[in-house]
Amino acid sequence: DAGVIQSPRHEVTEMGQEVTLRCKPISGHNSLFWYRQTMMRGLELLIYFNNNVPIDDSGMPEDRFSAKMPNASFSTLKIQPSEPRDSAVYFCASSHGADTQYFGPGTRLTVL
Amino acid sequence: EDQVTQSPEALRLQEGESSSLNCSYTVSGLRGLFWYRQDPGKGPEFLFTLYSAGEEKEKERLKATLTKKESFLHITAPKPEDSATYLCAFVAGITGGGNKLTFGTGTQLKVEL
Repeated sequence: DAGVIQSPRHEVTEMGQEVTLRCKPISGHNSLFWYRQTMMRGLELLIYFNNNVPIDDSGMPEDRFSAKMPNASFSTLKIQPSEPRDSAVYFCASSHGADTQYFGPGTRLTVL
Repeated sequence: EDQVTQSPEALRLQEGESSSLNCSYTVSGLRGLFWYRQDPGKGPEFLFTLYSAGEEKEKERLKATLTKKESFLHITAPKPEDSATYLCAFVAGITGGGNKLTFGTGTQLKVEL
């Protein structure tokens, strides 16, 4: 069974450009999470959805970040405009309700 | 403020040398304490969930335990393939359907031959 799928795996962009990260959760899971991992701050929850509805976006750093989940099998995290301090590894995870969260392989974002 | 602290930050062991990793927490309304393993360039991989003080869970060379203030991940006779970063995380309070995990900064374990 396929795990959580993220694309792209690596993204290099220039400051000011729009970046879109994509996630396909495990089939049947109804909760989806976006995390960011940096050396300085570790692994932080940005936003999570339950049944495609955003439940908690208190971790979204600022208005430049937005996330959508148009259906149960797809979510995007968008940064517009991107800045060098957004460079990090972004993980998507999914779960069935309050059960175990399974993480994707991550997208390594570098903003020059 | 709810928080979790992991120690040590890094640990180097010889193969077969047992040890423990610590996760200290101050959390109101703890609903679960989680352990994950993360290999370089990969996402965290789930290991254990503990729900109440006194609970223990085992998997191969790993055993996780929970008290009212700490959780330990005991590694018995480790092998080089156990080298990874081990993360603990907690869930507290009432959530809207999913588990809102708050992670510690991790312990980087290296097991040498």
